[in-house]
Parts: sequence; structure tokens; C-alpha cells
Amino acid sequence: DAGVIQSPRHEVTEMGQEVTLRCKPISGHDYLFWYRQTMMRGLELLIYFNNNVPIDDSGMPEDRFSAKMPNASFSTLKIQPSEPRDSAVYFCASTPGGREETQYFGPGTRLLVL
Amino acid sequence: SQQGEEDPQALSIQEGENATMNCSYKTSINNLQWYRQNSGRGLVHLILIRSNEREKHSGRLRVTLDTSKKSSSLLITASRAADTASYFCATAAQSGNTPLVFGKGTRLSVIA
Repeated sequence: DAGVIQSPRHEVTEMGQEVTLRCKPISGHDYLFWYRQTMMRGLELLIYFNNNVPIDDSGMPEDRFSAKMPNASFSTLKIQPSEPRDSAVYFCASTPGGREETQYFGPGTRLLVL
Repeated sequence: SQQGEEDPQALSIQEGENATMNCSYKTSINNLQWYRQNSGRGLVHLILIRSNEREKHSGRLRVTLDTSKKSSSLLITASRAADTASYFCATAAQSGNTPLVFGKGTRLSVIA
């Protein structure tokens, strides 16, 4: 398996622009998590899905952030409009569900908002 | 808010030495996991220990868990330069696939 795939790997944009991050989980995994990593706050959960349904989005910073999972093999995290404080590394992770509790992380998207 | 807090924040050792990292957490857990992150990469799962376990081994890794003190330690024996990375503990409050709460990590440097 190719593992969790994220795109783009790097994104540089200007304040106010829309940013879309993409994630393809490992095939057969029922859970998908979006995390954000910054030096100040470490790794924080933004939202997670089970079988494409959002379960907990309490970590989403504000209405500028939205996430979707239209099918089992694709999820997006959108920021509109973007702000400099959104600069971070965004990780997607998936897990099969059931007794398997290990999370498998993608390589991350490094976002810089100027 | 962060659940786990790793100690120390940074650790530098010589190749061949043992490295010990500690993690403290605040609320009751179902399991605690350790992950490694190489620079510029995603996190990789190392080991999981459940709340009813006290010690677990995997290769050169040894994890202990003390639920009375709400703390865990990760020991890497006979360290190698390739072990240079950041190490994170993560806690799960419930069984099943609940989100993990991560600490801020320990940055380990192993000098050849």
C-alpha cells in the first residue's frame, strides 16, 4: 500500500486566498483525522471522520476552516480566507477501525501564508 | 489543550548510549502510544501500551506506564544515529478509534 497520501506537500499563498489541502487515506481505513502542527501549540486535532461522516469538528479553529470527505478515498481541508496565523504543517492520518488503534500519518502539507 | 507533556524537551547522546524520554498526562486514559517524527516527515507509530499494562517491549524499545502517577517512559537502548528524531507520546481517553492527544515531543539527537 502507498500509505496516506497528501497534496500538495508545500503551499505558499497570500493572505486572503483560499487554500485546499487534500488527503487520500489508506484503502480500507474507516477513520480519517486532520491534525495541525505548530511550534507553539504542537499537534492538534482539527476534525475526524468515521465512514466519511464528521464525528468531531470541535478542533476546527473557526468558520474559515471546513473539511469534507465525499467518499472513502478522499478528504479535503479548506481554509478560506487564509491568514498568516494558519501557517503550519497539516497532517492527515487514517486508521482501520476495530481493534487496530495505530494511526498512520501522511507526510503532511507545509502551509505558509504570507 | 495538550494532554501529554514530554520531558526533556531535547536530549543529546552519543551513539550506543541509552535514551530515556518521559511523558506525563492529566486525565485517565485507555492507552498511550509513542510516535517518532523525522525532520520534515509524518509521524510513525512505535508502540502502544494499554492502561492495564505496566511494561512493553519492541526491539530496542521499552515502554513503561504508571497510571497512578499518570506517566510513561520510553527507553531506546543502544541508540543509533538513525534514531535522531522527535518522539511524541499520545493518549487515547477511550478504547476504539478516538482521536489522540499529543504532547509537544522530545527532540533526540544521537551523535555518531
